[in-house]
Amino acid sequence: EAGVAQSPRYKIIEKRQSVAFWCNPISGHATLYWYQQILGQGPKLLIQFQNNGVVDDSQLPKDRFSAERLKGVDSTLKIQPAKLEDSAVYLCASSQGGRGPNSPLHFGNGTRLTVT
Amino acid sequence: AQKITQTQPGMFVQEKEAVTLDCTYDTSDPSYGLFWYKQPSSGEMIFLIYQGSYDQQNATEGRYSLNFQKARKSANLVISASQLGDSAMYFCAMREGGTSGSRLTFGEGTQLTVNP
Repeated sequence: EAGVAQSPRYKIIEKRQSVAFWCNPISGHATLYWYQQILGQGPKLLIQFQNNGVVDDSQLPKDRFSAERLKGVDSTLKIQPAKLEDSAVYLCASSQGGRGPNSPLHFGNGTRLTVT
Repeated sequence: AQKITQTQPGMFVQEKEAVTLDCTYDTSDPSYGLFWYKQPSSGEMIFLIYQGSYDQQNATEGRYSLNFQKARKSANLVISASQLGDSAMYFCAMREGGTSGSRLTFGEGTQLTVNP
């Protein structure tokens, strides 16, 4: 089966600019996640979708970050305006399960964002 | 409060030897799952092994096994017969079940280096 697809692979922008990332999950996976991974740290959940509804966005900086998952498939994550501290890898993941604990997340290759 | 703790920032092992990567967790939810992921320098997150809180036996997947000690709240990853390709960052993660949602929370990771 095809894995989680993300684009772009790399992005360099200046602070205060905007940027958008795209994710296509594994076919049939109802749950989609966006994680932020700062260099040297573990991934941190930004937002979680179940189909096209938001399940958890408690750690999303809503003044500058937004995400949507139209039609319950593809998702986009946007940052506007970007700050230097947003430099990180943005990982998209998907899983089959709903609220149970045992569905592993399958990750894409990530988008490496550098804000200068 | 930190829910996943990986106390070893870096570990070294000789090729063909076994190595244990430590992970402790904290939760009051009786239903939870524990995961280990591998992240090579290329950046992708690779799912390795899963242990459910109600599983009676320790999980095994090929050369990977999980030493699950529920009373101690530890879920250490054991890699047998290390290979050079095992050099990577390893993350322990936990997902709580029940009504708390299914956020997967990661530790800070352990950088494993396999020496020839």
